[in-house]
Amino acid sequence: AQSVSQHNHHVILSEAASLELGCNYSYGGTVNLFWYVQYPGQHLQLLLKYFSGDPLVKGIKGFEAEFIKSKFSFNLRKPSVQWSDTAEYFCAVNEDTGNQFYFGTGTSLTVIP
Amino acid sequence: DAGITQSPRYKITETGRQVTLMCHQTWSHSYMFWYRQDLGHGLRLIYYSAAADITDKGEVPDGYVVSRSKTENFPLTLESATRSQTSVYFCASSENDLGTQYFGPGTRLLVL
Repeated sequence: AQSVSQHNHHVILSEAASLELGCNYSYGGTVNLFWYVQYPGQHLQLLLKYFSGDPLVKGIKGFEAEFIKSKFSFNLRKPSVQWSDTAEYFCAVNEDTGNQFYFGTGTSLTVIP
Repeated sequence: DAGITQSPRYKITETGRQVTLMCHQTWSHSYMFWYRQDLGHGLRLIYYSAAADITDKGEVPDGYVVSRSKTENFPLTLESATRSQTSVYFCASSENDLGTQYFGPGTRLLVL
């Protein structure tokens, strides 16, 4: 079975700091990759996704992620975080051959004003 | 545009009772999914459905039953609730098996 690893469980940053959240997956075939965000008390929302093409994907709210196939990684980045970015971030992977989505355990981001 | 809704939003029940969590989507998406979210585990897929009358097991299906008689509804039943099923349950839908999933607001279930 696919596994998705998010090594940063809790991240605390000051406003304007740069963010990078790691995501690694185990499947060696073709994958589709997603980052979801869950703001406090809300449901999951899609931040960005990668299916094919340019490995640098830009999403909403200034987030971007880079797919590095050789490293099985899809790290999320933002150059300057805001207090409103405080949330839980989930990486998800969907194998091109299957119906199932696999989520990472999530990274809790707290941004201090 | 209601999107995807779940009911109830909060539920407290006792061990051994049957509980049904409802999920309804207005987009006519083919695919629907049930996840549970637990600390340290992220989201884990319980069951999914590719279309009406087609369902399949996910990663953690034991103790759960689903049905999909209509495209827009995908209820999840805990036939005999256990404390380990205390969790937050999210329903999601997508147009196809590779597409973006849209999540409902979640149901917080506490089994005493």
